[in-house]
Amino acid sequence: QKEVEQNSGPLSVPEGAIASLNCTYSDRGSQSFFWYRQYSGKSPELIMFIYSNGDKEDGRFTAQLNKASQYVSLLIRDSQPSDSATYLCAVVPSGTYKYIFGTGTRLKVLA
Amino acid sequence: EPEVTQTPSHQVTQMGQEVILRCVPISNHLYFYWYRQILGQKVEFLVSFYNNEISEKSEIFDDQFSVERPDGSNFTLKIRSTKLEDSAMYFCASSERTGRGIYNEQFFGPGTRLTVL
Repeated sequence: QKEVEQNSGPLSVPEGAIASLNCTYSDRGSQSFFWYRQYSGKSPELIMFIYSNGDKEDGRFTAQLNKASQYVSLLIRDSQPSDSATYLCAVVPSGTYKYIFGTGTRLKVLA
Repeated sequence: EPEVTQTPSHQVTQMGQEVILRCVPISNHLYFYWYRQILGQKVEFLVSFYNNEISEKSEIFDDQFSVERPDGSNFTLKIRSTKLEDSAMYFCASSERTGRGIYNEQFFGPGTRLTVL
């Protein structure tokens, strides 16, 4: 069974701080990794994706991938109250097109 | 900006009835997907669809479910003989590129909340 694990939280950070969200996956052959944000009652919204080991930055967001450790993370700099949401990690295992989602980490940014 | 649309936003049905959930994927996308999310739980893959046929399906997607692309724009999920446990948010998604496992950004519609009474 291919799994994606996330700490459910809530992760509480003060406004302006860095939020660090983590995700591990079981399928070593996975090649595509995605971070989505989901507000309560809404659909997942793509934040960013990463395919290669290392860091990828997009504005206040940085995705980090370590395939050897089967670990992907998302850093949110200068966190804002509007960043308060559930962050979903999605992995595409080898030989498939489907996403396997983690349970998500609930982030609370305190004003 | 192009987006995936879904109708209806909320569907209430009686147990045992059939429902059809509708989706209009982004126009130049080639792969289509259905996911569901039971309240408080993770998003779960149901089925993927390409070139007018199912390319992959999960264990959840049994004979109760079917998908169809009846015309050039719509993509539907039919649930026959609905059960109480089918109550969930159903999301349609589409993606442009087809590289297996790579370059597969999926864009989600707003979802249809299905309530089975």
